[in-house]
Amino acid sequence: NAGVTQTPKFQVLKTGQSMTLQCAQDMNHNSMYWYRQDPGMGLRLIYYSASEGTTDKGEVPNGYNVSRLNKREFSLRLESAAPSQTSVYFCASSEGDRATYEQYFGPGTRLTVT
Amino acid sequence: GIQVEQSPPDLILQEGANSTLRCNFSDSVNNLQWFHQNPWGQLINLFYIPSGTKQNGRLSATTVATERYSLLYISSSQTTDSGVYFCAVVSPTGANNLFFGTGTRLTVIP
Repeated sequence: NAGVTQTPKFQVLKTGQSMTLQCAQDMNHNSMYWYRQDPGMGLRLIYYSASEGTTDKGEVPNGYNVSRLNKREFSLRLESAAPSQTSVYFCASSEGDRATYEQYFGPGTRLTVT
Repeated sequence: GIQVEQSPPDLILQEGANSTLRCNFSDSVNNLQWFHQNPWGQLINLFYIPSGTKQNGRLSATTVATERYSLLYISSSQTTDSGVYFCAVVSPTGANNLFFGTGTRLTVIP
């Protein structure tokens, strides 16, 4: 039981390049989330998916798109990376379709945009 | 959104000492979780505790939802307890955000 997995672990992009961060969970959870963590701060929600086929914006969605590919997988895409998107990105999942359920986090992707 | 304040921001302990970390939040909550972010950046779930008291080994937590605070107790601290402790909450209104505090950085010295 791997829990929540993310790929890649590290990535360096040039300004304007695009990339997709992958996330998968094997806990049969309904809800999945993408957060970012900037230095010295807590995490902030980018997008979430309450169930397969639905996605909604969180606190900081600008510059990102998401796809809930199936129940297991939730990807985050940066279409044109900017230095302000340098951050550590965490994927999470929870059993229910509301965040009243406990959330479990992946190991993170450290992204640097130069 | 809901405001989450954690104190103290930094804490240095001798191995074996006890500590109390505090989390205050500005509104009623549906969900409160405590996490430990270890020096490698991994977020480890400690407690899901929207109300009441729970214990897990040397760690315990209490949330008094009516007074809008939660406490995390660490007893007999070990060097492996070092890292940042985050409190995160979900408001019953609005989107499915876990709102995080800015954390308490704990350093345990041998």
